[in-house]
Amino acid sequence: NAGVTQTPKFRILKIGQSMTLQCTQDMNHNYMYWYRQDPGMGLKLIYYSVGAGITDKGEVPNGYNVSRSTTEDFPLRLELAAPSQTSVYFCASSQALTLGYTFGSGTRLTVV
Amino acid sequence: AQSVTQPDIHITVSEGASLELRCNYSYGATPYLFWYVQSPGQGLQLLLKYFSGDTLVQGIKGFEAEFKRSQSSFNLRKPSVHWSDAAEYFCAVGVTTDSWGKLQFGSGTQVVVTP
Repeated sequence: NAGVTQTPKFRILKIGQSMTLQCTQDMNHNYMYWYRQDPGMGLKLIYYSVGAGITDKGEVPNGYNVSRSTTEDFPLRLELAAPSQTSVYFCASSQALTLGYTFGSGTRLTVV
Repeated sequence: AQSVTQPDIHITVSEGASLELRCNYSYGATPYLFWYVQSPGQGLQLLLKYFSGDTLVQGIKGFEAEFKRSQSSFNLRKPSVHWSDAAEYFCAVGVTTDSWGKLQFGSGTQVVVTP
């Protein structure tokens, strides 16, 4: 029972490079979310999805894009990386609104 | 505006002592509330949740929380802290009118446990 799997765990990018953070869940959850965590700031919602083909912007979407072609996968794309995107990124999924989220273990990204 | 506040950034507690972490929210609609714990280098783990019924809820690892609507609070408690409880704790709030299930997280409280 893998739950929510995020890859890679660590990554260093140079300014202007692009990358995709992968997120896969094996629980058949419809709802999926991407958050970023910065020290002292808690978690901020980047994008979310309620099912395949349906996504929407969260609180801090600038500089990111997502797609949801399957129930299992919800990749987060960074285009033209900037130092402000240095953060820890968490993917989460949920089956029902009242059950809470299952989180992945995170991706620590540094942009230099 | 909707908000979730954890007033304490950092708490130090002795092993065996009691612990209380505060969470206050400001939401117009009926909230549902969660506490998560994050150990160093790990993802977040759900401790407990409240969405209706008994306002005192029990969670994993011996934690409990009490929902007080009149005070817009959902404080987390543990009667006797263990060294393994050292972690960061996050309160999260959602609203029943949000069909997307989005949660807003507080800024977290770091708990240090001393011998």
